[in-house]
Amino acid sequence: DTAVSQTPKYLVTQMGNDKSIKCEQNLGHDTMYWYKQDSKKFLKIMFSYNNKELIINETVPNRFSPKSPDKAHLNLHINSLELGDSAVYFCASSERGGGAADTQYFGPGTRLTVL
Amino acid sequence: AQSVAQPEDQVNVAEGNPLTVKCTYSVSGNPYLFWYVQYPNRGLQFLLKYITGDNLVKGSYGFEAEFNKSQTSFHLKKPSALVSDSALYFCAVRDVRTGGFKTIFGAGTRLFVKA
Repeated sequence: DTAVSQTPKYLVTQMGNDKSIKCEQNLGHDTMYWYKQDSKKFLKIMFSYNNKELIINETVPNRFSPKSPDKAHLNLHINSLELGDSAVYFCASSERGGGAADTQYFGPGTRLTVL
Repeated sequence: AQSVAQPEDQVNVAEGNPLTVKCTYSVSGNPYLFWYVQYPNRGLQFLLKYITGDNLVKGSYGFEAEFNKSQTSFHLKKPSALVSDSALYFCAVRDVRTGGFKTIFGAGTRLFVKA
């Protein structure tokens, strides 16, 4: 069973469109994250959620709206897509809120290409 | 400010030789340090972490890392490299000022092991 799963794996779309990426974890973790990895492989956190509550919003444009319907799911909706949004988006989870020592488990990534 | 630096973009080593991937950190308070590996088109996988205790931490796939407080370093090592170790390696630190909800990643070091 996949611990952290994301759909879709690839997403190709036109500028100005709206798209969503879904993430699910079956580890029973409390905390989930979204990361963006750019073309130079630099990895930066976007959001952290703990038990469905937004904890960290790392100066992400408000075109990006995460939603956590329950603590096992954290979806990412992106409005009015721009060329600069092209990247690989990773979802991750960790066991406890505020668990600085906790390991993060990453999904396989969603490669978003905006044309 | 909390930060992590990986001074080498790429490390080349021959199979069977020892390898070192360097990481230095800057944190306020106790550091919570991690190494992750990313294989092509995959998500990040946890290798090892330093929380407290012994300065030499052993992890997955024969990797280990040495925590050096005076040099603020956390270098990743392996006594004998394998071609299959070729991947992108990330050092990371937990930002405890955010209650552990934010992880700061280094820029990554690409390890290339030649047969």
